[in-house]
Amino acid sequence: GAVVSQHPSWVICKSGTSVKIECRSLDFQATTMFWYRQFPKQSLMLMATSNEGSKATYEQGVEKDKFLINHASLTLSTLTVTSAHPEDSSFYICSARDPSKGAGNQPQHFGDGTRLSIL
Amino acid sequence: DQQVKQNSPSLSVQEGRISILNCDYTNSMFDYFLWYKKYPAEGPTFLISISSIKDKNEDGRFTVFLNKSAKHLSLHIVPSQPGDSAVYFCAASPYTGTASKLTFGTGTRLQVTL
Repeated sequence: GAVVSQHPSWVICKSGTSVKIECRSLDFQATTMFWYRQFPKQSLMLMATSNEGSKATYEQGVEKDKFLINHASLTLSTLTVTSAHPEDSSFYICSARDPSKGAGNQPQHFGDGTRLSIL
Repeated sequence: DQQVKQNSPSLSVQEGRISILNCDYTNSMFDYFLWYKKYPAEGPTFLISISSIKDKNEDGRFTVFLNKSAKHLSLHIVPSQPGDSAVYFCAASPYTGTASKLTFGTGTRLQVTL
């Protein structure tokens, strides 16, 4: 089945640094990838839709300058948390759908997530 | 505005019995519904889905029921196994295609006891 890989799985860094998270589709090409954020004991909240070769689409309330998304190839999207602060500490997860499965309803497949802890 | 709701934050079921997880939604534009299973510090794993043109979809021990008029879906797991213990999220999207966005419920933590 479709596999989405996310790296790193866990990051601890000091306040003020920038952190890059990678999301790769391993066995399919994804023109669209999604970035989610999950706070403890809460639901997954969509942050943005990453579009290959064009600008990402951000959900309301998500700062595009804070969360930089780059989707430079059909298998890689990156999320960079710039000048991270403790309130940015969260679990970040990416997902993608395999377009080769057809245009009909197909599930999104998720990476294993990145736990970001800002000290 | 929580468009997808899972009103039971937790559920405990004995091994071998049926687990029933419920989900309600408010957006009538939702057309495709999914259930995901999630362990701590891992991404969600897809379990089963259903399109709005159906009212039931079955895959092994997992069955999803959709009641469009009530805007309600449920996931039945039978028989329940200890390995089923996890957080279950229902999700919905308004249209097909690779760019359709998912809206998730708040999750139900299932504990299957011996």
